[in-house]
Amino acid sequence: GQQVMQIPQYQHVQEGEDFTTYCNSSTTLSNIQWYKQRPGGHPVFLIQLVKSGEVKKQKRLTFQFGEAKKNSSLHITATQTTDVGTYFCAGPSSGGSNYKLTFGKGTLLTVNP
Amino acid sequence: NAGVTQTPKFQVLKTGQSMTLQCAQDMNHEYMSWYRQDPGMGLRLIHYSVGAGITDQGEVPNGYNVSRSTTEDFPLRLLSAAPSQTSVYFCASSVRGSEQFFGPGTRLTVL
Repeated sequence: GQQVMQIPQYQHVQEGEDFTTYCNSSTTLSNIQWYKQRPGGHPVFLIQLVKSGEVKKQKRLTFQFGEAKKNSSLHITATQTTDVGTYFCAGPSSGGSNYKLTFGKGTLLTVNP
Repeated sequence: NAGVTQTPKFQVLKTGQSMTLQCAQDMNHEYMSWYRQDPGMGLRLIHYSVGAGITDQGEVPNGYNVSRSTTEDFPLRLLSAAPSQTSVYFCASSVRGSEQFFGPGTRLTVL
């Protein structure tokens, strides 16, 4: 079946440093979604990427979708303590309808103030 | 809108007991899903539904049942709880092609 792999599993940074997490799918994706989960909380949607090579920015966060639509990355510039949490990527398991998602195992980001 | 609600927030069961985790959404979303989250394992799909009366299995369905009699509700039943079912359970809903909205979760411990 489809697999979605994320690296690294953990990342600890000093406040102000940059952070990147990478996501790789075993199959071509129609789209990819990113979620953030704060400690003790629930996953919250960040963004969806659809087009090959797409780049989207949300303030200090930059999301990329690979040309082959099998990989993606999330880059945070100048991390803040509010960025702490686990970042998940997710791809549709069938048909691109997004009702059946396969999630990566996530990257836990901790930030030292 | 309350969004996606889940009850209870916490539950402790003994091995062999049964229970139902409740999930409701007030956004008129077609799609609803149940996930379990274990340390280092990410979110794994248990069961999902694409509309009232229609359910299907996800990645880890064994030991769980679901039904969807209304658009709003999607309960998850544990038939005979086992320690391996100790986890955090999330319910989510969405419309076609869009993001999933997650509930606050139920933290279940099976002794």
